[in-house]
Amino acid sequence: DTEVTQTPKHLVMGMTNKKSLKCEQHMGHRAMYWYKQKAKKPPELMFVYSYEKLSINESVPSRFSPECPNSSLLNLHLHALQPEDSALYLCASSQVDGYNEQFFGPGTRLTVL
Amino acid sequence: DAKTTQPPSMDCAEGRAANLPCNHSTISGNEYVYWYRQIHSQGPQYIIHGLKNNETNEMASLIITEDRKSSTLILPHATLRDTAVYYCIVAPSNTGKLIFGQGTTLQVKP
Repeated sequence: DTEVTQTPKHLVMGMTNKKSLKCEQHMGHRAMYWYKQKAKKPPELMFVYSYEKLSINESVPSRFSPECPNSSLLNLHLHALQPEDSALYLCASSQVDGYNEQFFGPGTRLTVL
Repeated sequence: DAKTTQPPSMDCAEGRAANLPCNHSTISGNEYVYWYRQIHSQGPQYIIHGLKNNETNEMASLIITEDRKSSTLILPHATLRDTAVYYCIVAPSNTGKLIFGQGTTLQVKP
């Protein structure tokens, strides 16, 4: 299985809602990543988890809260988002942290109203 | 900021080789050149990477100049399914931190 899956595919939420994005991989990878991609822009790194511990936070606002419950699963909890947070949220994984061959999921398209 | 410069767009005829250039004049000795592509509505896909020698895999070839200040990704026989945004990224091999630039939109035409 060489796939990274993300759910949901699409999410619409209000600014007062709390929602979560989910990412899963079964490749035995020990590093997982969250990226944000605005329309017609390149992906931007948000968080890196290595062996289930947060290793990089790219100064992301606290309304985005990542969680890595186990080595196969990565969540991104969303709370009090702004309309400008509307974007494609991409999850990726790699064998270990620092291994730059990353496998990406298809993303969750988030719209904040 | 991204350390690479790529043309914003290129066209290629189906069946012909697509040659995508990338300038990385400030590349450091420990930095590799990585190529990813992103087909519309999908996540990025790793293609190939190299340090200073030319590299080839089942998807593409990577040619890095001797001074390492530029490189070219070659898709030997482009198909319509190769239409995508191609990103050239330079990074140390142990960073895990990929900084994507604007990329090149490759349009393969019948």
